[in-house]
Amino acid sequence: KQEVTQIPAALSVPEGENLVLNCSFTDSAIYNLQWFRQDPGKGLTSLLLIQSSQREQTSGRLNASLDKSSGRSTLYIAASQPGDSATYLCAAPETSGSRLTFGEGTQLTVNP
Amino acid sequence: ETGVTQSPTHLIKTRGQQVTLRCSSQSGHNTVSWYQQALGQGPQFIFQYYREEENGRGNFPPRFSGLQFPNYSSELNVNALELDDSALYLCASSPGPGNSSDEQFFGPGTRLTVL
Repeated sequence: KQEVTQIPAALSVPEGENLVLNCSFTDSAIYNLQWFRQDPGKGLTSLLLIQSSQREQTSGRLNASLDKSSGRSTLYIAASQPGDSATYLCAAPETSGSRLTFGEGTQLTVNP
Repeated sequence: ETGVTQSPTHLIKTRGQQVTLRCSSQSGHNTVSWYQQALGQGPQFIFQYYREEENGRGNFPPRFSGLQFPNYSSELNVNALELDDSALYLCASSPGPGNSSDEQFFGPGTRLTVL
């Protein structure tokens, strides 16, 4: 059974800082991992999908890495902005299908 | 291309009542998954539908049931509502049930409050 953990649970940084969010998963036989953003009371916005054959995926100021052997993924946010304030969730699929197991998220606050 | 839509946005019910939530999948997607997200937690998988059949279920009681229609839209039904059913219910669609390249796309959610 897949278990996903995210550290830290909350993070507050000044604007402009580079930061790293961590995600670990127990079943390394995954074929992809997905990072999401969630604004308060809203649905999930997909940020990045990393396939198991990839080590990194980039979109603008976001870079996600995947290390299956260690069961870890990181989301790097460069030059953070107040608009980046949200909860960031990582999700790994069960090996038998596309059911996603989520971490509890990292609540990010970027202060102007 | 239309994204995933859900209705209603908000819903208030009382204990013991029944509720139906609706989801329209993204164009070209034949798989719909439902998740429950309690406040401050990550979403929990309820079940998935693929081509109108249930294709996997999480640890939820039978009073949580669903349907998928020929156009791949889906309903989530919850009977005998309990206070703990208060949550954000999220629907996700994907091109297939387990393709390695599949990215899941989520709708805006339905906020259910049970009093």
